[in-house]
Amino acid sequence: GENVEQHPSTLSVQEGDSAVIKCTYSDSASNYFPWYKQELGKGPQLIIDIRSNVGEKKDQRIAVTLNKTAKHFSLHITETQPEDSAVYFCAASMGGSQGNLIFGKGTKLSVKP
Amino acid sequence: NAGVTQTPKFQVLKTGQSMTLQCAQDMNHNSMYWYRQDPGMGLRLIYYSASEGTTDKGEVPNGYNVSRLNKREFSLRLESAAPSQTSVYFCASRISGTGNYEQYFGPGTRLTVT
Repeated sequence: GENVEQHPSTLSVQEGDSAVIKCTYSDSASNYFPWYKQELGKGPQLIIDIRSNVGEKKDQRIAVTLNKTAKHFSLHITETQPEDSAVYFCAASMGGSQGNLIFGKGTKLSVKP
Repeated sequence: NAGVTQTPKFQVLKTGQSMTLQCAQDMNHNSMYWYRQDPGMGLRLIYYSASEGTTDKGEVPNGYNVSRLNKREFSLRLESAAPSQTSVYFCASRISGTGNYEQYFGPGTRLTVT
């Protein structure tokens, strides 16, 4: 089955710097790759996603890139702010009627003022 | 819309006790999911229901049962709780058949089994 590896497990940056989180997946049939943000005491919330027919997607300060050949995708956050501090999860899915997500183990991002 | 709601928020059980975690969504979503989240382990799928009337096992189903009561509600039951089931449980839902794969998560239930 699908396996998703996520690195790093913790990341600390200064406010205003960029942050990059990387994930690799094992199943070449996966075609949907979301990123979720989880704030303390809350459920995960989708922040951006990308499908396998697209190499890059951007939404304001966040962007995701996908390399299908290498089977890895990355989350980029620019001009980080203290409110970006949270745990971020990547996931992979083969889509379809089930749409089950396989999650990475998460990255705890800390943005220092 | 309330989105996905879960009850209770917190629960402490003794080994061997049973309980049911409740989940409801008001977004008219077809598919619903139960995950557990353990430190350093990410979210792991316990059971899911692709549509009303169907349920299937996920990655870690042992020790759990589910019921898709109707389109809105999906419950998770622990028949005989074990300390290994201490975790945070999240319910999620999504609309299916539209090409939209976003899952919406509830706020979670923090369960401790002593």
